[in-house]
Amino acid sequence: DSGVTQTPKHLITATGQRVTLRCSPRSGDLSVYWYQQSLDQGLQFLIQYYNGEERAKGNILERFSAQQFPDLHSELNLSSLELGDSALYFCASSVSPGLAHTQYFGPGTRLTVL
Amino acid sequence: AQTVTQSQPEMSVQEAETVTLSCTYDTSESDYYLFWYKQPPSRQMILVIRQEAYKQQNATENRFSVNFQKAAKSFSLKISDSQLGDAAMYFCAYRSPEGGKLIFGQGTELSVKP
Repeated sequence: DSGVTQTPKHLITATGQRVTLRCSPRSGDLSVYWYQQSLDQGLQFLIQYYNGEERAKGNILERFSAQQFPDLHSELNLSSLELGDSALYFCASSVSPGLAHTQYFGPGTRLTVL
Repeated sequence: AQTVTQSQPEMSVQEAETVTLSCTYDTSESDYYLFWYKQPPSRQMILVIRQEAYKQQNATENRFSVNFQKAAKSFSLKISDSQLGDAAMYFCAYRSPEGGKLIFGQGTELSVKP
């Protein structure tokens, strides 16, 4: 158990809908990262937050947004869902964005868009 | 932009034998970290080992060790005394000083035969 929690574990929804994925980082970790794992794209970085502020963006679609709250938990919002958004979404956390700090991954949320 | 390449989509090893998984990367940076993550059927991402680029000594964690060749931009993972529980997808990942995101290779599926 990494100490990073993600809810829900599984999510099944229809095209055009909106969903919210939640992540609680390890105790003491200020930095949160979101990754998407799909069959065609592999594991890709989406977005990073540090202490409530957005720090880096990767290949995140405009239909996707995220935020980190004062209690440091983070939410990833996916809207106008398409079939291709079906994937495993991971949250990871680290003490800080510093190079030496390892990222620990949560168990992931499996999103299925029908 | 940095890239990570794992040229072996699948590997197989006999229980108790040794296997080496390959990874190459491309970067112009001199300071970075490299990682191997394991993803078993549960889909949890588990850190196996990490290597700091400025350290010449290869990292070792119990049965897992790396062969880090900085000039060749190569970072292979050696698993000794393979066990059935080692069967998983293994991802090589690069982390640069800026941003802190992980860049993953395509993964190598390792099967362990009893």
